Amino acid sequence: KQEVTQIPAALSVPEGENLVLNCSFTDSAIYNLQWFRQDPGKGLTSLLLIQSSQREQTSGRLNASLDKSSGRSTLYIAASQPGDSATYLCAVLYYGNNRLAFGKGNQVVVIP
Amino acid sequence: GAGVSQSPRYKVAKRGQDVALRCDPISGHVSLFWYQQALGQGPEFLTYFQNEAQLDKSGLPSDRFFAERPEGSVSTLKIQRTQQEDSAVYLCASSFGVVTYNEQFFGPGTRLTVL
Repeated sequence: KQEVTQIPAALSVPEGENLVLNCSFTDSAIYNLQWFRQDPGKGLTSLLLIQSSQREQTSGRLNASLDKSSGRSTLYIAASQPGDSATYLCAVLYYGNNRLAFGKGNQVVVIP
Repeated sequence: GAGVSQSPRYKVAKRGQDVALRCDPISGHVSLFWYQQALGQGPEFLTYFQNEAQLDKSGLPSDRFFAERPEGSVSTLKIQRTQQEDSAVYLCASSFGVVTYNEQFFGPGTRLTVL
């Protein structure tokens, strides 16, 4: 089964620390992987999209890496701020599908 | 606006009522998706349109769920005879062109509560 796993479900970090969020997927045959942010009661905001041919993508304080062979992606958020508190979702577009397969998310709290 | 919009944002229905949820995708986006998100879970795929054609409806949980996009832009998700297990956030997403290479942009969702 093509699954996406995000562990831990929740974490807290003090302000200023770097955040490292992990996503694992079960099949290396993917088109792309997308990281989203979701605030309580809100929709999903796309953060980064990594195509299967890419190793990483960067946007400001965010960096996402992709290792297809090991079925892993990591989202790094440098110098975390209280405004980074949210749920971060990883989603994979597997070959043969047109739908995103989502993990359950990492709920992050940045403590001032 | 420039983003995906959905209406209503909140809907409360009595069990057995029919509901209709609307999605306005980003102008010019060919692909449109509906997802269902239960509390504490990631979104789960419901159905996919390319223009007006519904190419995949394998995620619809029962024949009470029906989606349409008659003119290839606005889409409506209809749920007939709502049940308590239908309570969730319904998310709409759109994508420009071929879905395999393009980002999916999500709307704010409609939170459905069935009493």
